[in-house]
Amino acid sequence: QTVVTQEPSLTVSPGGTVTLTCASSTGAVTSGHYPNWFQQKPGEAPRALIYSTSNKHSWTPARFSGSLLGGKAALTLSGVQPEDEAEYYCLLYYGGHWVFGGGTKLTVL
Amino acid sequence: EVQLVESGGGLVQPGGSLRLSCAASGFTFSSYWMNWVRQAPGKGLEWVANIKQDGSEKNYVDSVKGRFTISRDNAKNSLYLQMNSLRAEDTAVYYCARGFIFDYWGQGTLVTVSS
Repeated sequence: QTVVTQEPSLTVSPGGTVTLTCASSTGAVTSGHYPNWFQQKPGEAPRALIYSTSNKHSWTPARFSGSLLGGKAALTLSGVQPEDEAEYYCLLYYGGHWVFGGGTKLTVL
Repeated sequence: EVQLVESGGGLVQPGGSLRLSCAASGFTFSSYWMNWVRQAPGKGLEWVANIKQDGSEKNYVDSVKGRFTISRDNAKNSLYLQMNSLRAEDTAVYYCARGFIFDYWGQGTLVTVSS
């Protein structure tokens, strides 16, 4: 049973920078896990932000960036806006199967 | 404009069956892997299943293997999820999502398994 772990919650001030991470129970996260990141606000469907570690969709704001950091996938928000308050999920690929992380509740305060 | 519209959700008794559909438009459906993802009330996202462009490869999360079947009809631009032997823990909003990068999602359809 593969488990993908994210921080349950994080708090950041408006204009600040925050990094969310995504770890795999099988070992280091690599580009071969094709890390994806999604944002979800209450009552809405998830919205894709990042794919294949660091690639942005056409609608992804420039303040969002993805990377690999210390054996984990990471999502960094620079210059956080109030509208960034949301749940964030990572998604990792395991050879045909995908596993979501438990999500990080980001509070902008 | 890419659109994915799920349908077929509802209330079903434990042990019952339900077939979900996802109608795709605005892109060449036959060119993409497709996925089902679910979210139980107040919980996180769970990947459920995916299917290759021509339907020749299908993958499932362990908890639904042998009970759920994913399929597609490229002529109808439609994705399906046949759900049998439903359990209370299958209660969730079910989303379809496009491709290997999950770039587009539907609005979801609610499945409630309860007596």
